[in-house]
Amino acid sequence: EVQLVESGGGLVQPGRSLRLSCAASGFIFDDFAMHWVRQAPGKGLEWVSGMSWNSATAGYADSVKGRFTISRDNAKNSLYLQMNSLRTEDMALYYCAKDIGRYPEGADAFDIWGQGTMVTVSS
Amino acid sequence: QSVLTQPPSVSGAPGQRVTISCTGSSSNIGARSDVHWYQQLPGTAPKLLIYGNSNRPSGVPDRFSGSKSGTSASLAITGLQAEDEADYYCQSYDSRLSGVVFGGGTKLTVL
Repeated sequence: EVQLVESGGGLVQPGRSLRLSCAASGFIFDDFAMHWVRQAPGKGLEWVSGMSWNSATAGYADSVKGRFTISRDNAKNSLYLQMNSLRTEDMALYYCAKDIGRYPEGADAFDIWGQGTMVTVSS
Repeated sequence: QSVLTQPPSVSGAPGQRVTISCTGSSSNIGARSDVHWYQQLPGTAPKLLIYGNSNRPSGVPDRFSGSKSGTSASLAITGLQAEDEADYYCQSYDSRLSGVVFGGGTKLTVL
């Protein structure tokens, strides 16, 4: 079964760090770009970051540039998001999503989504 | 403010046809970037509905169709059913922002 399972969310104070993980199964992980997309409570979807199949290229939304770092370990079929200097506006459900192409700048669709992991930023 | 503009809500009676617009600019849809559409049912993750402007993934009913022209795209749903009640999002790539962009989402209500 094709599946993405996120983990690592939780309650964190403003200014602190958190690392999200996404475990992939059921497809050839290192053939596709991968992304993080977030959704604040009651709000729409916001793309956060994407990484190419071979980790050569990565892109970030302006709202997280310089604070968040995406990475992947193809040997472990896993995607990560290191989130530093967290702000209250980063509070959201974070989804891991599979690209149908190899590069995040390829303007391709996301065909597989996980169920998300919730990040709450509050003092 | 989302880079791609969608109406906040649309509605229709069962069996009717509704359309949802997605308006962009010369740096995204107008730059020949493909548009994709997602359906998000309450409390669930988004699901790919249309990719590459007008293509349906396997399993998506042909009641759903997409089109693109100039700097805009549209999602049409015919034969509206109660189970179509959901939020719908368009997505593209913006060359000026060098990133993926989503529309603000449209809530479809089946009357």
